[in-house]
Amino acid sequence: DIQMTQSPSTLSASVGDRVTITCRASQSISSWLAWYQQSPGKAPKLLIYKASSLESGVPSRFSGSGSGTEFTLTISSLQPDDFATYYCQHYDGSSSFGQGTKLQIK
Amino acid sequence: EVQLVQSGAEVKKPGQSLKISCQASGYTFTNYWIGWVRQMPGKGLEWMGIIFPFDSETRYSPSFQGQVTISTDKSSKTAYMEWTSLKASDTAMYYCARQRGRWLVDTWGQGTLVTVSS
Repeated sequence: DIQMTQSPSTLSASVGDRVTITCRASQSISSWLAWYQQSPGKAPKLLIYKASSLESGVPSRFSGSGSGTEFTLTISSLQPDDFATYYCQHYDGSSSFGQGTKLQIK
Repeated sequence: EVQLVQSGAEVKKPGQSLKISCQASGYTFTNYWIGWVRQMPGKGLEWMGIIFPFDSETRYSPSFQGQVTISTDKSSKTAYMEWTSLKASDTAMYYCARQRGRWLVDTWGQGTLVTVSS
């Protein structure tokens, strides 16, 4: 099974900051990587698929990059609604999620 | 608009059975895989299994094989997940999830909270 590891587990930042979350796969998954945002009490929401493709309706301050085993999600200028938990997911034949990164207000 | 609407919260005792539902609308139900995802309190997301409504092909994650049964009813465009004997450790939020292709989730249900307590 492919293991997905996110870092950091918790990230403290302020409105307007640029932040980056990293996701590493235990073996190559090409670009079959998605990012989801989960706000408290809500279902997850798809942000990025195929490592760098922005889902329709998602603000352009979100971007993804990477391939193979190392991936990043970047939020260019944090907005109040962005304080949430973020999950990466590989979807290459099988699927698993990272353990999540909680983005909290500094 | 594509929507998945799940059944309401449940409170059950250990050993009881339960079937929760997820009703789809706004798309051709039989053309997309639907999966179920568990989120235990304060924890992350775990795949339980997926089903293709067209032919009922089903795949379970190893941790959940034999623990739950996933099914669909094409006439009502509804997916189900069923337990025959609940345990306290089944206490969690359960999400149904429509997949684009396979495994990539583009639409989530609102979640069904299942509480199992004596």
